[in-house]
Formats: sequence, structure tokens, C-alpha cells
Amino acid sequence: GDSVTQMEGPVTLSEEAFLTINCTYTATGYPSLFWYVQYPGEGLQLLLKATKADDKGSNKGFEATYRKETTSFHLEKGSVQVSDSAVYFCALSDGTSYDKVIFGPGTSLSVIP
Amino acid sequence: NAGVMQNPRHLVRRRGQEARLRCSPMKGHSHVYWYRQLPEEGLKFMVYLQKENIIDESGMPKERFSAEFPKEGPSILRIQQVVRGDSAAYFCASSPPYSGRNEQFFGPGTRLTVL
Repeated sequence: GDSVTQMEGPVTLSEEAFLTINCTYTATGYPSLFWYVQYPGEGLQLLLKATKADDKGSNKGFEATYRKETTSFHLEKGSVQVSDSAVYFCALSDGTSYDKVIFGPGTSLSVIP
Repeated sequence: NAGVMQNPRHLVRRRGQEARLRCSPMKGHSHVYWYRQLPEEGLKFMVYLQKENIIDESGMPKERFSAEFPKEGPSILRIQQVVRGDSAAYFCASSPPYSGRNEQFFGPGTRLTVL
């Protein structure tokens, strides 16, 4: 079945460092791919998405490119801030039956001043 | 357009009591999903509902848990005879009628504590 794998956390970075969180997926069809973010004590918010191969999703300085050849959707940000500390979930929706979303396990990010 | 609303935000129950969690989807959304997040863990899918129908309950525990989404009113996740292991954050999400490319919109969650 469809699945999402993310790099293990927690990840700790200094402010202004470069961020990469790896995400790979397994899907039989042509899924849409998402990154969600969960700030402490809150629900999930959609951060960015891409619906087809080579699409780049971007928001708040974060970006991720849908790579069909490597089945990846890595999240990147050039310069992280303390306010980016959160848990990041990679997810896919295969769109074949209903909008069921399959989530990765999440990667916790802590940014220190 | 109000987002997904959940209430209560925090719920405390003693072992053996019942917990009722409510979710009002975004306006125009007819699909509701429930997830459970245990401490230090990711989201686990529980159930997917449309109005008056349970479509996929493959993630629901076989006993004590039930969900409904009536024609009128919010979706309800009901946990009977709660145990300490039920303590978790329960999130509801909604999406518009199926298009194959929809993301889900999440509520703020209900944090259930079982004493």
C-alpha cells in the first residue's frame, strides 16, 4: 500500500542554518504531495503542496519539489528562525478513491538562537 | 469562512466514563476524518465519514469507539468506558466533495486526559 517515509528526528539547528527534511513516498498512482506543520499545542496546518511531477510548492520561505523519478518531496528552507520550531509531516493523497491522506511519522525541528 | 471547529479543546474524564468529541467541518465540506495522536507519536487515521455514512473505519478500535456524522449537526467521536491509554489528542479534518486533489483542513484538536 501507499506509504510515506521521513527522516528521523529530532532535528536541532541554529538560527539562520539551512534546513532539509527528507521525505520519500510509495504510491501506485499519481499522488498529490503535502507538507503539514504542527506548532506546539496546535493542530496541523498545510504548509505547501504539489499536485504533479516537477511542481514546486512554496510558502513562508519553505519549498519542496515533486520528484517522480526519485519518489521524493524533500522540504527545504534557506535560513530557519526560532519560530520555525515545530513538527513537520510529509503526506500524500493518492486521489484514487477519496481524499484519504497518508501521513509520515513527522520530524521534530528545534531551532535555537 | 470559519475553519474546522472542535470542542471541547480539553476534556478530562475518569476511567469508565464516556467521552464525546465534536467536530464541525468547514462550510461546504462534506467529508470528515478523525485522527488520534498519542504523545510523541504521529497521526493515526481512525475513520472517514460523509453525511450519514461511515466510509472507512479501518483505523477505529473494534470496541468502545464509535463515530457519526448526522445529516444535521457536527460529527461526533464517542469513546465509551475510557481507559488511561485513550489519553491523546484527537484531531478532526474536513475536505470538500471529492476531486482527487484535495488537502485536508484540520481543527485545533481535543486533548483528552483520562485520570
